[in-house]
Amino acid sequence: KQEVTQIPAALSVPEGENLVLNCSFTDSAIYNLQWFRQDPGKGLTSLLLIQSSQREQTSGRLNASLDKSSGRSTLYIAASQPGDSATYLCAVTGGSQGNLIFGKGTKLSVKP
Amino acid sequence: DTAVSQTPKYLVTQMGNDKSIKCEQNLGHDTMYWYKQDSKKFLKIMFSYNNKELIINETVPNRFSPKSPDKAHLNLHINSLELGDSAVYFCASSQEPSPRGEAQPQHFGDGTRLSIL
Repeated sequence: KQEVTQIPAALSVPEGENLVLNCSFTDSAIYNLQWFRQDPGKGLTSLLLIQSSQREQTSGRLNASLDKSSGRSTLYIAASQPGDSATYLCAVTGGSQGNLIFGKGTKLSVKP
Repeated sequence: DTAVSQTPKYLVTQMGNDKSIKCEQNLGHDTMYWYKQDSKKFLKIMFSYNNKELIINETVPNRFSPKSPDKAHLNLHINSLELGDSAVYFCASSQEPSPRGEAQPQHFGDGTRLSIL
């Protein structure tokens, strides 16, 4: 049974700092891995999707890496801003039907 | 021009009632999903559905049933509501995998917060 773990559960950093969020999964047989952002009272916004054949994806200040063999992914946020404050969720797809299996998220707070 | 929209945003009702949550997507996606986010903010898949098959998470009680009147809608019906059903329910959609078999990003609605009294 696939399990997704995210460390740390919460993180507080000063504005401008670079940071890394970690995600690990127990079964390396994944189709893809997706990083989301969730703001309070809102739905999820897809940030980056890495296919199982890829090693990383970049979008602006965000870079996500995937190491399938070790069951790990990282989300790197460069030059953090207060607007980056949110909960970041990692999810993997274990089958062709696309059902996502989520971690419990990392709550990020960026202080001005 | 909301991509995935759910109604209502909030739903407060008594235990034992039957209720429905509607979901519509205007992205032309082929697959739609329902997720439940519990009080500890943990998201779990409930259903995925395209015009070919319905995949049901085995942990979902049969009081929950998805209904799809057409490709753009996947509504969630819940019978005999229980206290433990209180949660935020999210609808999502995605395109079918690419010809190379690559899964596509899922797009989420803003959620429906269900509170059972």
